[in-house]
Amino acid sequence: NAGVTQTPKFQVLKTGQSMTLQCAQDMNHNSMYWYRQDPGMGLRLIYYSASEGTTDKGEVPNGYNVSRLNKREFSLRLESAAPSQTSVYFCASRTRDLAYEQYFGPGTRLTVT
Amino acid sequence: RKEVEQDPGPFNVPEGATVAFNCTYSNSASQSFFWYRQDCRKEPKLLMSVYSSGNEDGRFTAQLNRASQYISLLIRDSKLSDSATYLCVVTFNKFYFGSGTKLNVKP
Repeated sequence: NAGVTQTPKFQVLKTGQSMTLQCAQDMNHNSMYWYRQDPGMGLRLIYYSASEGTTDKGEVPNGYNVSRLNKREFSLRLESAAPSQTSVYFCASRTRDLAYEQYFGPGTRLTVT
Repeated sequence: RKEVEQDPGPFNVPEGATVAFNCTYSNSASQSFFWYRQDCRKEPKLLMSVYSSGNEDGRFTAQLNRASQYISLLIRDSKLSDSATYLCVVTFNKFYFGSGTKLNVKP
């Protein structure tokens, strides 16, 4: 039982390049999330998916797109990377019940030059 | 106003000390409450849920005060390994994370 996995762990992009961050969970969770974390800013929600087939914007969705490929996988795409998107990206999942916690993946450290 | 507010710290305490963090939340209808721990350059991990009657897990005690809209975390007999950032989390239809309180436990 791997929990939540993310790939890649590290990535360096040039401005304007695109890439997809992958996330998968094996806990049969309905809800999945993408956050970014910047120094002093805490976790900010980019997009979330309450269930397979649905996605919704979070607090900071501009410049990102997501795909809930199936119940296990939720990917985050940067179409044209900008230096402001330099951050640590965390994927998380949880059951439908808000009484239960979110489980986080190990994160992807992205640098855009 | 932020949904969840925490003192960023850092709290610098000697080993063996007792330290307490508070966290305030803005929505009186908030449903569930958690404390997460985040080590440097790692993902957040659940430390403990916070129940209405308060709850304890070893050296850690969490309290909820709905009237004043805050939750607290008390750490007794601090260990060097407790050094981390502690995130307060509140749910109301979705999860709201505080920015975290940094704790440094020194020998």
